[in-house]
Amino acid sequence: QQQVKQSPQSLIVQKGGISIINCAYENTAFDYFPWYQQFPGKGPALLIAIRPDVSEKKEGRFTISFNKSAKQFSLHIMDSQPGDSATYFCAASGYNFNKFYFGSGTKLNVKP
Amino acid sequence: EAQVTQNPRYLITVTGKKLTVTCSQNMNHEYMSWYRQDPGLGLRQIYYSMNVEVTDKGDVPEGYKVSRKEKRNFPLILESPSPNQTSLYFCASSFSNYNEQFFGPGTRLTVL
Repeated sequence: QQQVKQSPQSLIVQKGGISIINCAYENTAFDYFPWYQQFPGKGPALLIAIRPDVSEKKEGRFTISFNKSAKQFSLHIMDSQPGDSATYFCAASGYNFNKFYFGSGTKLNVKP
Repeated sequence: EAQVTQNPRYLITVTGKKLTVTCSQNMNHEYMSWYRQDPGLGLRQIYYSMNVEVTDKGDVPEGYKVSRKEKRNFPLILESPSPNQTSLYFCASSFSNYNEQFFGPGTRLTVL
C-alpha cells in the first residue's frame, strides 16, 4: 500500500505563475512532512518541511499547506521561475516511525 | 565540507556478479538510508540504519544487504544482481528519520 500519493506527475507553469503540487498520506501517525527538490543529475535536497501542529509554513516563495483532517498537504510555489524547474517529492515520516516514505514525484517545468 | 559521498557514480555489471556501493558521511549522523529511484515510482527506501550495528529493512529490501560497522559508513551490497535492480541509487544521512536528510550524488547502476 502506497503510504504517500503525489499528484500531478508533471506540471507546466508560465513564469510568474503559481505551481501547486498535492500529496495525500495514509497513516495518521505521521508527524513530519518534508518536501524535497531534485535537479537533474543531483541528489534530492530539503526544500521545506512541516509538522502537523501548524496548518501552513512559508519560506520565501514556497509554502506548505497542511490539512490534518483530510490527510493532505500541498506545496505552493509563488511567482514560479525557470530556475524552479526540477522534480519535487513530498515525503512523510515521524517520531514513532523508523522508515521514510516518499511520493512518486512531480516534474515541474516553468516556461520563460 | 559537510557531505555524503557515494562510489562508484556509474556502474555497469552483469547478472550475478557481486558488487558493493560505498556510502560515507562526515556529519556524525546516526540515521542512514539507501533509496532507489525509478521513473514514476519516486524514491523507495531499501534499508535504513538507526545507528552502528542497527539496520532494518525498508520497503524494497529484496536482493540487497547492508552493514553499519562504523558510524560514517553504510555500504550497499548486491550479492547476485539482477536486471530488475537496474536503477539510480541514493544514500542519505540525517540525525534522525524526522530531520533533514542529506543525499549523496547518486549511483547509476545497470545490470545486464
